[in-house]
Amino acid sequence: EPEVTQTPSHQVTQMGQEVILRCVPISNHLYFYWYRQILGQKVEFLVSFYNNEISEKSEIFDDQFSVERPDGSNFTLKIRSTKLEDSAMYFCASSEGQASGNTIYFGEGSWLTVV
Amino acid sequence: AQSVTQLGSHVSVSEGALVLLRCNYSSSVPPYLFWYVQYPNQGLQLLLKYTTGATLVKGINGFEAEFKKSETSFHLTKPSAHMSDAAEYFCAVSDDSGYALNFGKGTSLLVTP
Repeated sequence: EPEVTQTPSHQVTQMGQEVILRCVPISNHLYFYWYRQILGQKVEFLVSFYNNEISEKSEIFDDQFSVERPDGSNFTLKIRSTKLEDSAMYFCASSEGQASGNTIYFGEGSWLTVV
Repeated sequence: AQSVTQLGSHVSVSEGALVLLRCNYSSSVPPYLFWYVQYPNQGLQLLLKYTTGATLVKGINGFEAEFKKSETSFHLTKPSAHMSDAAEYFCAVSDDSGYALNFGKGTSLLVTP
């Protein structure tokens, strides 16, 4: 069964450093997402991406964050100048169509620890 | 904005007992509702979803949920719990734009022998 794959599974970084989280969405999917889950809290939407541009973003997704689809298969989340509060599990996801009514498939997550 | 509330952050049931995880939604438009499960150290896996049509939705692993518009609920049930059902369960609703899911805080299900 096709799946969303994420790398790295776990990354430790120093505060102020830049981090890039990578994702390979399911190949025929057109919508891509990043979500995050701070330890013990609910899963929160960060951003959705369609047709090579951001279609929606949450208040969390400020100028510190950016996304990119550098080629036909990868989808990346860049966090500039990481802060302690960026420590979380980051989930990449993809879907064939919009979230309303379509299944969003999630990867296993990238656990980011900022020290 | 669309949102969901999950009642009970922790639910404990005995193996073989009925599982009932509660979810209520708030939506200004007909909602699209989802239940996801997260096993330890794993990602989110879709259990089932309601879009339109039949209000009783069957999912994987014997779970089902019923959409009740009059009660604004989408509770998840399973007739007989198995030890392997122990996990975190999240209810979610698609937001106004249709580009995002809004998740509840999750319910941790513990199954005891």
